[in-house]
Amino acid sequence: GQQVMQIPQYQHVQEGEDFTTYCNSSTTLSNIQWYKQRPGGHPVFLIQLVKSGEVKKQKRLTFQFGEAKKNSSLHITATQTTDVGTYFCAGQESNYQLIWGAGTKLIIKP
Amino acid sequence: GAVVSQHPSWVICKSGTSVKIECRSLDFQATTMFWYRQFPKQSLMLMATSNEGSKATYEQGVEKDKFLINHASLTLSTLTVTSAHPEDSSFYICSASLTSGSSDTQYFGPGTRLTVL
Repeated sequence: GQQVMQIPQYQHVQEGEDFTTYCNSSTTLSNIQWYKQRPGGHPVFLIQLVKSGEVKKQKRLTFQFGEAKKNSSLHITATQTTDVGTYFCAGQESNYQLIWGAGTKLIIKP
Repeated sequence: GAVVSQHPSWVICKSGTSVKIECRSLDFQATTMFWYRQFPKQSLMLMATSNEGSKATYEQGVEKDKFLINHASLTLSTLTVTSAHPEDSSFYICSASLTSGSSDTQYFGPGTRLTVL
């Protein structure tokens, strides 16, 4: 069946270092969405990418959608303690169902 | 990896009818499942937390008599939208919590699109 693989599962970084999480879909997506879940919280919608090759920025966050609309990445520049949480991608196909990645947990080392 | 399924994936119903949505953890046991509602490009809005064998805990503003939740087993939770109305049309997503050691990981279902005519 359709799958979205997300890596890495965990990433430990020093505050100020960069962070990247990657998602790869087994099928072509109509769009991909990114969510952030803080510890103890619930997923907060960050962004939706629709166009092939699209790149969007939100302050220190850069989101990319691959040319084939099968892969995506989220890059955070100069991480801060407020960035801690789990980042999920969710691919959407034409039937509206979401195919969730397993999430990448960002941990800031003290 | 852990998989959560939802059934049906989409449903269209007439106003006044009831609709049941199932959420299953396919390869793990989940003592806790969550039900969310999502509008396009918006965050998941938690409706209720469902614990196996006990009553669900509803978030403020969610009518428990309208959104009936049953968590009969460690792998199945159901959400029944009773007497559905067009304003109940939405995307409903469940998630199941897997506890491993001291950490909890949530796995999300693919969602169910409900359209009430």
